Amino acid sequence: QQPVQSPQAVILREGEDAVINCSSSKALYSVHWYRQKHGEAPVFLMILLKGGEQKGHEKISASFNEKKQQSSLYLTASQLSYSGTYFCGTGGGSNYKLTFGKGTLLTVNP
Amino acid sequence: KAGVTQTPRYLIKTRGQQVTLSCSPISGHRSVSWYQQTPGQGLQFLFEYFSETQRNKGNFPGRFSGRQFSNSRSEMNVSTLELGDSALYLCASSYTSGGYNEQFFGPGTRLTVL
Repeated sequence: QQPVQSPQAVILREGEDAVINCSSSKALYSVHWYRQKHGEAPVFLMILLKGGEQKGHEKISASFNEKKQQSSLYLTASQLSYSGTYFCGTGGGSNYKLTFGKGTLLTVNP
Repeated sequence: KAGVTQTPRYLIKTRGQQVTLSCSPISGHRSVSWYQQTPGQGLQFLFEYFSETQRNKGNFPGRFSGRQFSNSRSEMNVSTLELGDSALYLCASSYTSGGYNEQFFGPGTRLTVL
C-alpha cells in the first residue's frame, strides 16, 4: 500500500525550515527519502532502518517512528537548491519491493 | 564509476506494439528495480531483479515483464501497448536489495504511446 505524504506542496523563502511527513498503514522496516528535480532522476537522500540505523547525507535529518509507522524529513535553513519533489518510499522485510508515496513538491524562493 | 544508463531515452510507439527497454546498472550492483512514473501516480514499482531472479513484482498486468542477465544488465518488455502505458520508466540499481539500500536511478526512458 502506498505511503501517504504531507503536505502535497510547500513554498518557502530561502532560509526557512520545512518538515515533510510520510505515514504508512503497514509495518515499516525501512523508509527511504529521495529528491527529484524537474526533468532529472530521483536522487538518494536518506534511509532509516528499523532498529535505528540511518544512512544518508550529513546535511539531511529525518526521524522514524516505528510504532506510529511514520517518518519525517527535516529541511532546515533551506536553500534554492532544495527545490524539487520529495518522495518517501517504504519497504524491506521479506518484501524487496519499495513503495513510494506520491511526493511533496517543495519550492524555495529567494 | 559510471552511473546507471538506460536506452533508449525516448521512444514513440503506437497502440498494440511492443517495446523493450534496457538498463545497465552501476558496476558491481546486482539489484535492478524498475519503476513507472506518471504525473498522477508518482513512482510505481514494477519489479526487482537480483542475480537474474525476479524477487518481487508490483501490481501491473502480465504485459509488463522483465529479465536480468548474468552481467546484471536488465531489460523490461511491454507487449500490446496501451495509451495508458505512456510514462517515464526508471530503473534503479543497488548493491544488494533495493529495499534496504540506496538506489541509484538512471535518467529514464520516456515512452509515448499514440
